[in-house]
Amino acid sequence: DADVTQTPRNRITKTGKRIMLECSQTKGHDRMYWYRQDPGLGLRLIYYSFDVKDINKGEISDGYSVSRQAQAKFSLSLESAIPNQTALYFCATSVGVDEQFFGPGTRLTVL
Amino acid sequence: RKEVEQDPGPFNVPEGATVAFNCTYSNSASQSFFWYRQDCRKEPKLLMSVYSSGNEDGRFTAQLNRASQYISLLIRDSKLSDSATYLCVVITHTGRRALTFGSGTRLQVQP
Repeated sequence: DADVTQTPRNRITKTGKRIMLECSQTKGHDRMYWYRQDPGLGLRLIYYSFDVKDINKGEISDGYSVSRQAQAKFSLSLESAIPNQTALYFCATSVGVDEQFFGPGTRLTVL
Repeated sequence: RKEVEQDPGPFNVPEGATVAFNCTYSNSASQSFFWYRQDCRKEPKLLMSVYSSGNEDGRFTAQLNRASQYISLLIRDSKLSDSATYLCVVITHTGRRALTFGSGTRLQVQP
C-alpha cells in the first residue's frame, strides 16, 4: 500500500461548488503539505502543517483552507471553486525539511 | 524574477549522451538544495541532495556554486529511462524554512 494516499484522484466540478481533497499518510511524519502544479509554473505551496496544532499559509493560500484532523490526515478545501483552480494537487509529508514524500496527486478540473 | 529558475527544455538527447541542467536561485540565504525527478503525470521523487562539495550517485553528479547561486545536475550515459522532468528545490532558512520548487527541466532521451 502507498505511504501517502490522496482522494479523489480525479475530480470534475462546477464553478461555485465546495470541494474537499483528502490526504492520508502511514509514514508517521509530523509535517504535511499541500501543493498545486500548473504547466510552466512548477509546484507552489498552498498550506503546510508541522504538527496537528500548527497550520501555516504558503505562497498561494487565497481561496483555499485546510484541516489537520490527525497526524495522519490533512485535508484541503476549496470553499467556492473557480476555473483558475484547475490544476494537479499534491499532498506531501516529511520528517524535517529534507526529503518530501508525495502522494499520487489529484487532478481537479473546475468548469 | 522567479526565486528559482530552470530552463524548461525539452532537452532531446540520444542514448549514451551526457547532459547537464542548471538551476539558478535568487536568495543568497538559501542553504539546502535538492534535485527531484518527476515522471509524466506522476508525483515528484527525490533524486539527490546537493552538497557544497558536490556529490555523485552513479551516473548522476550534482554541484553547487554559491558564488554564482546555481546548482547543476549532470547525467552521464543517458538511458531511455532517464526521460522525465527534473525539478530543482531550494530551501531558505529565514525564520520558517521555505521550500521552493523550480518549474522543471524536461529531458527526453531518444533511442
